[in-house]
Amino acid sequence: ILNVEQSPQSLHVQEGDSTNFTCSFPSSNFYALHWYRWETAKSPEALFVMTLNGDEKKKGRISATLNTKEGYSYLYIKGSQPEDSATYLCALINTGNQFYFGTGTSLTVIP
Amino acid sequence: ETGVTQSPTHLIKTRGQQVTLRCSSQSGHNTVSWYQQALGQGPQFIFQYYREEENGRGNFPPRFSGLQFPNYSSELNVNALELDDSALYLCASASGFSSYNEQFFGPGTRLTVL
Repeated sequence: ILNVEQSPQSLHVQEGDSTNFTCSFPSSNFYALHWYRWETAKSPEALFVMTLNGDEKKKGRISATLNTKEGYSYLYIKGSQPEDSATYLCALINTGNQFYFGTGTSLTVIP
Repeated sequence: ETGVTQSPTHLIKTRGQQVTLRCSSQSGHNTVSWYQQALGQGPQFIFQYYREEENGRGNFPPRFSGLQFPNYSSELNVNALELDDSALYLCASASGFSSYNEQFFGPGTRLTVL
C-alpha cells in the first residue's frame, strides 16, 4: 500500500487570493499522477494528468507541477473565486496500474 | 454525449447479504474503474476493467468482484457484506488502456450496511 499525502487538509482563503497545496508520494514505481476537483454534491472532475518529471500543466487559473524524483506535485490557484471551493484530490498511479488517492485538500474561498 | 451513470443511488443492506452495483460508461470509453470512499478518506481503488478484462486491482478481498460487458458497462459485486463496507462507491470511465487518460466519474452509489 502506497501512502499519498496531501497538505494542508483544509484551507480558507479570501476571494482574489492565490493559493497552493501539495501532494506527496513515494517516487518508486511512479507511472502517472492525476489531480481532481470534487465539489459538494457533484462527481469528481479531472483537472490534470501528469506523467513526466518537470511537467507543468495549466487550465485557466489553475496550474500544477510535478517532481517525480522527490515525489511531490503542487497545485496552484491564482486569484481564487468562490466557485473554486471544493476538495482537491491527487491520485498516484503506479506501474502495476493501481490508483492511490490522497485524502484531499478542502478549499473554501470566502467572498 | 451521455456521462457516466450509476445505479442505484442509495442502497441499504444487512450484514451477510450480497449487493450488485451498476455503472454505465461514458460513450466511447472502454475502461472502467471502481472506488470505495469511506467517510473522511480518499477514494480507495478496488479494480479496473479494460475491454472486459481486469486490468489492475487494489487491496480488496475476493468477495469484491466485478464484470465488464461488451458495451463496456460494468458491475461491482460484493458478497458477505460487512458493516465496514458502508461507503460511497464510485465508478469512473476512460478511453483507452493507459492511465495517462482522464477519468470521468459517476455520481456514486451510497451503500449502507446494517
